[in-house]
Amino acid sequence: DTGVSQDPRHKITKRGQNVTFRCDPISEHNRLYWYRQTLGQGPEFLTYFQNEAQLEKSRLLSDRFSAERPKGSFSTLEIQRTEQGDSAMYLCASSSGTVANEQFFGPGTRLTVL
Amino acid sequence: EDKVVQSPLSLVVHEGDTVTLNCSYEVTNFRSLLWYKQEKKAPTFLFMLTSSGIEKKSGRLSSILDKKELFSILNITATQTGDSAVYLCAETNFGNEKLTFGTGTRLTIIP
Repeated sequence: DTGVSQDPRHKITKRGQNVTFRCDPISEHNRLYWYRQTLGQGPEFLTYFQNEAQLEKSRLLSDRFSAERPKGSFSTLEIQRTEQGDSAMYLCASSSGTVANEQFFGPGTRLTVL
Repeated sequence: EDKVVQSPLSLVVHEGDTVTLNCSYEVTNFRSLLWYKQEKKAPTFLFMLTSSGIEKKSGRLSSILDKKELFSILNITATQTGDSAVYLCAETNFGNEKLTFGTGTRLTIIP
């Protein structure tokens, strides 16, 4: 499978715990994006990497959220001290950086905070 | 701030009908408009539009962009139950790399 992959697919955690999600982009894509989607809404942008550099961060990305892409390949998104409001689908996308910026999405990680 | 508005929010039609989904946008320094289909998982890419008046077509689905009036439509002809999904519209601009999505149109096809 050469698409975007994410792990885990589902995560249930208790409020206050830390969680970490992983995204593996399409291999030749140098751009990687994280989005969050809640029920009935379209995905909302969180952050963007070009290779290993984090170039954009949304104001939605509070201090409890951190993302890395250490070698310019896979990325991790960590949420510290989770809150019930963090419950959502976390989507990763990648693109090759063409002018029109066509992004391809992974299957997502569904986070439930109890 | 960029804005994308989709209409209708939901639509129920019978199998075989033709549907038109609408997407209007407000964006500074427009780059592209994209359509995605989302079933019970991640969005699946359908079309990317950058030029006005040029129709993109894939099977029973087609889409066109009007950059003067700032909208796009997605047409689905001879609908099938497998077309039931949420259809998302998103735009990009040259100022950043993110996609700005609308809330989507939930399409339900009744057999």
